[in-house]
Amino acid sequence: KAGVTQTPRYLIKTRGQQVTLSCSPISGHRSVSWYQQTPGQGLQFLFEYFSETQRNKGNFPGRFSGRQFSNSRSEMNVSTLELGDSALYLCASSYAGLAGGRETQYFGPGTRLLVL
Amino acid sequence: GESVGLHLPTLSVQEGDNSIINCAYSNSASDYFIWYKQESGKGPQFIIDIRSNMDKRQGQRVTVLLNKTVKHLSLQIAATQPGDSAVYFCAENRYNAGNMLTFGGGTRLMVKP
Repeated sequence: KAGVTQTPRYLIKTRGQQVTLSCSPISGHRSVSWYQQTPGQGLQFLFEYFSETQRNKGNFPGRFSGRQFSNSRSEMNVSTLELGDSALYLCASSYAGLAGGRETQYFGPGTRLLVL
Repeated sequence: GESVGLHLPTLSVQEGDNSIINCAYSNSASDYFIWYKQESGKGPQFIIDIRSNMDKRQGQRVTVLLNKTVKHLSLQIAATQPGDSAVYFCAENRYNAGNMLTFGGGTRLMVKP
């Protein structure tokens, strides 16, 4: 079974631009979560989607948004990019999307975003 | 996918020795804990998990210990191999927080041949 895939793998943008990142979960997985990873802040939760609905949201500004499609694929968007948005953006999927959590989450390879 | 800053704790061990990586968590409401391994250029890879109703769980060459009294988690790797060299993260999940994980800062494990 194929793992979580993320596209693109690398991206360079300039300040003020916007960017859209894509994530395809493992086949059959219905929950998709996004994380930002930086050297300074480590791994931080952005948001989680299940059944096309955002279920949880981390402490990030409204410039960060996401959505999930009926086939469970997800996209995240960052508008008005800032230098500090340079990071590795990771997507993780899990099978049942249980509200109670406690599920194994499988991560993709990430999209490395560089903002100049 | 390097993930860590200049001040990441580092554990250096000799090949064949056992490794112990520690993690302190802060939220008493957390009831599910996971260890991930991240190699350069890759996303975190699931190693082992444990629920709060357990204090020990074993996998292949790995053991996770949970001490809820002091909110401490450890990962033991037996007979450490060069392929174990990576950054290791613990993560916690609270009940009814969906799949939101809170990650620790990570520990870099370096295995000397």
